[in-house]
Amino acid sequence: KAGVTQTPRYLIKTRGQQVTLSCSPISGHRSVSWYQQTPGQGLQFLFEYFSETQRNKGNFPGRFSGRQFSNSRSEMNVSTLELGDSALYLCASSFGTLNTEAFFGQGTRLTVV
Amino acid sequence: GNSVTQMEGPVTLSEEAFLTINCTYTATGYPSLFWYVQYPGEGLQLLLKATKADDKGSNKGFEATYRKETTSFHLEKGSVQVSDSAVYFCALKDSGGSNYKLTFGKGTLLTVNP
Repeated sequence: KAGVTQTPRYLIKTRGQQVTLSCSPISGHRSVSWYQQTPGQGLQFLFEYFSETQRNKGNFPGRFSGRQFSNSRSEMNVSTLELGDSALYLCASSFGTLNTEAFFGQGTRLTVV
Repeated sequence: GNSVTQMEGPVTLSEEAFLTINCTYTATGYPSLFWYVQYPGEGLQLLLKATKADDKGSNKGFEATYRKETTSFHLEKGSVQVSDSAVYFCALKDSGGSNYKLTFGKGTLLTVNP
């Protein structure tokens, strides 16, 4: 059974550009969540999608957005990149009910220069 | 709101030593509790979980017991190996409402020396 797949693994962008990250969940999982990991702030929740609907959103500016497709694949977009957006972006998938565990991908390492 | 506090370390142990990483939480409801592990350059892997009070999660020699009275979920292992070197995260997921997100502690870096 394939795990959570995130593409690309590494990305270098320039300030002011925009970026799109992709996440393919485990087959059968309908929930996809995104987290930002930085040395200073740790793991912070960005948003969660279930059956193409955003159910929860973290405390991030509107430059961070996401969507989920009918096949449960998800993308997140960051516009007008800032140096502080450099981070490891992790995607997690689950069945989407309250007590089910989340399985994480390997992450996309975004560096903004 | 929900929060997780864990000892930040770093923790350095010799092989076969006993490991404890403390984790306490604050939550409005009755959360599920998790320990995740992150190896260098990797994403997070679920290590163990507990969904209600007095549950004990265990996996690969690691154990943690859900203590509601002390709001704690401490991670323990009787004899660590070099391969256990990683960052360990305690996390919770609330049981109520529509809150499906994980709230994480800051992580504890464990280094095990041969």
